[in-house]
Amino acid sequence: AQSVTQLGSHVSVSEGALVLLRCNYSSSVPPYLFWYVQYPNQGLQLLLKYTSAATLVKGINGFEAEFKKSETSFHLTKPSAHMSDAAEYFCAVMGPGGSYIPTFGRGTSLIVHP
Amino acid sequence: KAGVTQTPRYLIKTRGQQVTLSCSPISGHRSVSWYQQTPGQGLQFLFEYFSETQRNKGNFPGRFSGRQFSNSRSEMNVSTLELGDSALYLCASSPGDGEKLFFGSGTQLSVL
Repeated sequence: AQSVTQLGSHVSVSEGALVLLRCNYSSSVPPYLFWYVQYPNQGLQLLLKYTSAATLVKGINGFEAEFKKSETSFHLTKPSAHMSDAAEYFCAVMGPGGSYIPTFGRGTSLIVHP
Repeated sequence: KAGVTQTPRYLIKTRGQQVTLSCSPISGHRSVSWYQQTPGQGLQFLFEYFSETQRNKGNFPGRFSGRQFSNSRSEMNVSTLELGDSALYLCASSPGDGEKLFFGSGTQLSVL
């Protein structure tokens, strides 16, 4: 069974600082990988998706993630944090084997200090 | 296009009751999936429907059931509610296999 590990249930950064949210997955075949964001009292919305076309994936709101097969990692970064980035972030993996149901990590809460 | 709509937004029930949650997917999306979100367990997959058929099912007891109608709208039912069923229930629709999910804002269920 697939699993997704997000290191750190909470990450705290200052406004303007680098954001790094970590995600490791377990799979023998590069799957689909996603990062979703959830703002308070809302559902999840997609930040970005890896589909093997390129290892560096750019998403919305200035976020990007790099797929590293050797490390089975898909960490999310943003060069400069903004107050509006404060939210819960979820890494998810889908596949292989024909199952298109994503497995989500436990989530990382990003706290941005002024 | 309208987004995924879930109703009701909030629900309060007592133990032993049953509840039905509704989800209207984005027009044209045939896949609808349901998730339970709790602080302790995170996001857990309940089931997925595609063209009125349950295609995938998560590891939840039989008290949790669902269905999908011909217009792709979906309902989820929980019978004999337990305190542990208190959670945010999220519905998501997708335009195709392997594609991203579009989530609704969820139904917050509180069981007293």
